[in-house]
Amino acid sequence: EPEVTQTPSHQVTQMGQEVILRCVPISNHLYFYWYRQILGQKVEFLVSFYNNEISEKSEIFDDQFSVERPDGSNFTLKIRSTKLEDSAMYFCASSDYRNTEAFFGQGTRLTVV
Amino acid sequence: KQEVTQIPAALSVPEGENLVLNCSFTDSAIYNLQWFRQDPGKGLTSLLLIQSSQREQTSGRLNASLDKSSGRSTLYIAASQPGDSATYLCAVSTGTASKLTFGTGTRLQVTL
Repeated sequence: EPEVTQTPSHQVTQMGQEVILRCVPISNHLYFYWYRQILGQKVEFLVSFYNNEISEKSEIFDDQFSVERPDGSNFTLKIRSTKLEDSAMYFCASSDYRNTEAFFGQGTRLTVV
Repeated sequence: KQEVTQIPAALSVPEGENLVLNCSFTDSAIYNLQWFRQDPGKGLTSLLLIQSSQREQTSGRLNASLDKSSGRSTLYIAASQPGDSATYLCAVSTGTASKLTFGTGTRLQVTL
């Protein structure tokens, strides 16, 4: 069964460093998303991406964050100058069309020290 | 701003019981509602998707209902098993970009 794949599963980084979280969405999907979940809190929307551009972003998704689809299969989230409060589980998701079922990856646990 | 609430926050039941999880949302202008399962430290597994025009969806022992006008959904789990122990999240899809707004979840424990 097709699945969303995320790498790495866990990343530890020093405060101020840049990290890139990687995702391979389901191959025929057109809509891609990043969400995050701070420990013990709700899953929060960060950004949606369609047709090689951001279609919506939340207040959390400021200039520190960027997304890219560098090739036909990968979808990345870059976090520049990481802060302690960026520590969270980051989930990538994809769906085939707008407002259809979203499939999530297993997440990348980011720890900023 | 859409707010999603789930009650109860935690639930413990003996194996074999039928149970109901509740989800409410403040803005009825949704495209769909999705129920997920999350195991500790793991990703989100999609269980059921109900489109806004639908009232109900079933998958195996799971049945989800949607009352869009009153902003409510329920997830019914029949004949619960220890393997059902997990956190159950509901999420509503709003806006043109299909973003999901999540509830805080119900942590379910099914005991032997």
